[in-house]
Amino acid sequence: DAGVTQSPTHLIKTRGQQVTLRCSPKSGHDTVSWYQQALGQGPQFIFQYYEEEERQRGNFPDRFSGHQFPNYSSELNVNALLLGDSALYLCASSLKSTESRTEAFFGQGTRLTVV
Amino acid sequence: DAKTTQPNSMESNEEEPVHLPCNHSTISGTDYIHWYRQLPSQGPEYVIHGLTSNVNNRMASLAIAEDRKSSTLILHRATLRDAAVYYCILRDVAAGNKLTFGGGTRVLVKP
Repeated sequence: DAGVTQSPTHLIKTRGQQVTLRCSPKSGHDTVSWYQQALGQGPQFIFQYYEEEERQRGNFPDRFSGHQFPNYSSELNVNALLLGDSALYLCASSLKSTESRTEAFFGQGTRLTVV
Repeated sequence: DAKTTQPNSMESNEEEPVHLPCNHSTISGTDYIHWYRQLPSQGPEYVIHGLTSNVNNRMASLAIAEDRKSSTLILHRATLRDAAVYYCILRDVAAGNKLTFGGGTRVLVKP
């Protein structure tokens, strides 16, 4: 089992550009959540996808959007990049039916640097 | 969201126990107490969780106060590989199960 895989591992973008990050959940999981982690801080919840729909959203602007595919993989898109979007972006997967009482599995993250 | 309070950092000697406290005075009846840890340059890793009773697994033990307003993560014999940031999180079923991370406790293990 490969666990949660994210790509790319590192990325450098210019202010104003757009970026797409990708996540494949752990085998058997149907729910994907995205988190942003700034340097020295805890991860902050962006949104969660289940059954190809956004189910929950944290306090992030509309520049942050996502998608979930039929195979449960997911993409995070960020438009009009700002310097403050520089962070580690983490993907977590879980199984909706048991997620309250079981663990979420996190990927290694994508380090995004905006210059 | 219910919030948790943890010390910023703790130090321990190798092979000694580590007790990590967490206060969650506003916990609701449906909140599960979860602990995750994050090693340097890695994503968070699940450690343990519980609802009301104390829990043990191969990584750690979780002691939950009778009123559920606090809990303690216990690492029985700290190793250098346990050096990480430990997050105490309340996972609210009613709020959709998102994980709300605080600042966590940075654990330093001295050889």
